Amino acid sequence: DAGITQSPRHKVTETGTPVTLRCHQTENHRYMYWYRQDPGHGLRLIHYSYGVKDTDKGEVSDGYSVSRSKTEDFLLTLESATSSQTSVYFCAISREGSSNSPLHFGNGTRLTVT
Amino acid sequence: QQQVKQSPQSLIVQKGGISIINCAYENTAFDYFPWYQQFPGKGPALLIAIRPDVSEKKEGRFTISFNKSAKQFSLHIMDSQPGDSATYFCAASGADSGYALNFGKGTSLLVTP
Repeated sequence: DAGITQSPRHKVTETGTPVTLRCHQTENHRYMYWYRQDPGHGLRLIHYSYGVKDTDKGEVSDGYSVSRSKTEDFLLTLESATSSQTSVYFCAISREGSSNSPLHFGNGTRLTVT
Repeated sequence: QQQVKQSPQSLIVQKGGISIINCAYENTAFDYFPWYQQFPGKGPALLIAIRPDVSEKKEGRFTISFNKSAKQFSLHIMDSQPGDSATYFCAASGADSGYALNFGKGTSLLVTP
């Protein structure tokens, strides 16, 4: 899986609680991405990072924040989880932001907000 | 707003048949068009990709056809096998968003023995 570890793999949390998901890579790739996958919606981009401390919003960024203090780690935080954030979250990495550098995905974190 | 539209949602093909999945896009700045394959419990994995300077790309049993003027591209799986049963996603990206992929909603393919 291209040296990508997502943790935890499964999490159940209550509405209103903060949640942080972690993506760790061993490939030293510059670009990292967070997507969510929901039935009928495919994969939608939440945030992405193009370097340490450099991040940008994606299509569905409301309610999420990210941080990247080291090349290898990209954290996704739900400040106050809601039931609509129940989803499978995928991290992806890319060596560079170009068509010569495909995205490789981790195996996902299944988050349930009750 | 879905930037990439994919059809059909689901597809059943007999072993040995041809599976065809279609996608359309609007953003003319897109210049990279990959297809991803996903098995249950796993992340999507890159299957094959094409750039708009060619009209077709073939890798083994998998072929992408690309029509730049129509802003459409399709995946053909020849001699489909039960092991090809998975969800397939088309995607598109460009330089304006760090090559973050815009995905179609996916096609669930079942290849029957």
